[in-house]
Amino acid sequence: GAVVSQHPSWVICKSGTSVKIECRSLDFQATTMFWYRQFPKQSLMLMATSNEGSKATYEQGVEKDKFLINHASLTLSTLTVTSAHPEDSSFYICSAQLLGPMNTEAFFGQGTRLTVV
Amino acid sequence: AQTVTQSQPEMSVQEAETVTLSCTYDTSESDYYLFWYKQPPSRQMILVIRQEAYKQQNATENRFSVNFQKAAKSFSLKISDSQLGDAAMYFCAYGDFGNEKLTFGTGTRLTIIP
Repeated sequence: GAVVSQHPSWVICKSGTSVKIECRSLDFQATTMFWYRQFPKQSLMLMATSNEGSKATYEQGVEKDKFLINHASLTLSTLTVTSAHPEDSSFYICSAQLLGPMNTEAFFGQGTRLTVV
Repeated sequence: AQTVTQSQPEMSVQEAETVTLSCTYDTSESDYYLFWYKQPPSRQMILVIRQEAYKQQNATENRFSVNFQKAAKSFSLKISDSQLGDAAMYFCAYGDFGNEKLTFGTGTRLTIIP
């Protein structure tokens, strides 16, 4: 099956610094990737849709200037949390859409646990 | 906007028994997909089963099967012969046709009793 790799798996950063999370599709090309956020014991909430070669589409209530998304190639999307604060601490998960007519499955990365201290 | 509701925050089942997890959803679309994902303690999201709304036949994957009632907008997951490895959070999810942007339910934590 298709593999999506997310890096790092966990990161601790100081308040006010920026953190970059990578999402790579290892064995397929993904024109579209999605970034989700999951608070402890809660569901996944979509943050934004990352489109290769164009600007990301953000969900209502998500600050685009705080959560910068870049999808520079068909296999890589990055999420940068800028000027991180403790309330940004969460579990971030990406998923990738398989390019092709049968795009009926989302493949998820293993997630990144961000802790801002 | 689509919504997905899972009314059972927690469920438990004896090993080897059968358990059913409930899910209802709301949409105005006629073509869409429904999914059940499993999230074990590792937090990796694992696809358990999916259903295309245009298919009347209920999807099955080995011990996992669904009861898809389109008119009632209900999509329950049945796990037969429960195994210890089935213990996890289970999320029901909705996806529009041709778009893998998913809307997730709040999840059901399944415990398997040895």
